[in-house]
Amino acid sequence: DAKTTQPNSMESNEEEPVHLPCNHSTISGTDYIHWYRQLPSQGPEYVIHGLTSNVNNRMASLAIAEDRKSSTLILHRATLRDAAVYYCILRPQGNRDDKIIFGKGTRLHILP
Amino acid sequence: ETGVTQTPRHLVMGMTNKKSLKCEQHLGHNAMYWYKQSAKKPLELMFVYNFKEQTENNSVPSRFSPECPNSSHLFLHLHTLQPEDSALYLCASSQEWRQGRNEQFFGPGTRLTVL
Repeated sequence: DAKTTQPNSMESNEEEPVHLPCNHSTISGTDYIHWYRQLPSQGPEYVIHGLTSNVNNRMASLAIAEDRKSSTLILHRATLRDAAVYYCILRPQGNRDDKIIFGKGTRLHILP
Repeated sequence: ETGVTQTPRHLVMGMTNKKSLKCEQHLGHNAMYWYKQSAKKPLELMFVYNFKEQTENNSVPSRFSPECPNSSHLFLHLHTLQPEDSALYLCASSQEWRQGRNEQFFGPGTRLTVL
């Protein structure tokens, strides 16, 4: 099963950009890279996903390495409300096993 | 209502009780999922239903019994649970299963405590 590795925790100052890394060296050519975050006492929330090209949406940007073995979630201007656990997972496209394996994620602390 | 809703939000039950968790999605999705999140452990996928058919059962004990009467509703029937089953149970939905381009939408979860 394709897995991801992320740092256990990171810290950032409020109103500064945050770069959250994810390694997925065993990624398959048809695996999408998804990012979710989980705020305290809530269910996970979708953030962004991509396949090969970098992606932007209102919440964040996703930078995908050329070899697709790593990716970075970018929060352009962190706020206190961005303090959460961020998960990077792989999801296959097509008729392959989709085990949806969540790791421990990265706990992001935002300093005021 | 929009999104994914779960009831109850909190549940306390004894080991001999029978209870059910309910999930409803108002997104027109065809795939629904049950996850378990124990303290200090990653989310664990329990069951997947795609177009009302169960497609995944990740070695979940039989004391957990899922039911999907239609694409909008998902139940998790609980009986003779153990204290180690205490956890946050999350429901999610997506347009279809095995479609990596589709994101999942999660409900707020049911916090279950087994005494």
